[in-house]
Amino acid sequence: DTGVSQNPRHKITKRGQNVTFRCDPISEHNRLYWYRQTLGQGPEFLTYFQNEAQLEKSRLLSDRFSAERPKGSFSTLEIQRTEQGDSAMYLCASGDTGSLDGTDTQYFGPGTRLTVL
Amino acid sequence: DQQVKQNSPSLSVQEGRISILNCDYTNSMFDYFLWYKKYPAEGPTFLISISSIKDKNEDGRFTVFLNKSAKHLSLHIVPSQPGDSAVYFCAASAAGNTPLVFGKGTRLSVIA
Repeated sequence: DTGVSQNPRHKITKRGQNVTFRCDPISEHNRLYWYRQTLGQGPEFLTYFQNEAQLEKSRLLSDRFSAERPKGSFSTLEIQRTEQGDSAMYLCASGDTGSLDGTDTQYFGPGTRLTVL
Repeated sequence: DQQVKQNSPSLSVQEGRISILNCDYTNSMFDYFLWYKKYPAEGPTFLISISSIKDKNEDGRFTVFLNKSAKHLSLHIVPSQPGDSAVYFCAASAAGNTPLVFGKGTRLSVIA
């Protein structure tokens, strides 16, 4: 299977704990995006990478959130000192800016459902 | 403020009939639009896209129409099938390769 994969699929943690999620993009894609989705809302952009460079961070991404993409391959999203408001589905998507028309269709992984108790 | 709006939270359609899902946007810099389908507990699945140089794009049972002057797009599914029942998200980007801005989604129920 060559789609986007995310691990773990589900994470339950206690308030104040740190959590880390992993995303493996489609192998030839140079862009990797993180989004967060809460109930009744569409996905909201958090941050994205082109290769290993982090190009943009949303104001939704507080200081407790950090993301990396070492060597431009997989990415990790870490949340420190989790709060109940962090409970959400965290989605990863990958895309390729090398398409003929310059557009970057993003393909999503299955998501990581975080529950903070 | 919401830059991408899906004003119908839900839609019910009979099997075999046409489903029309609507989406409005406010940011005139958006030039690439996508529709995604989402089942519960799964990530969004890409369906179809359209760039602002076109007003229609077709892929099998799915057609997307873009009206730039009205800042409106719609997704037509014909004929609708029970397996189409899901939440559909409209998304937009500027310059075709920036982070996506999503609407809140429309839940489509196709009744057999």
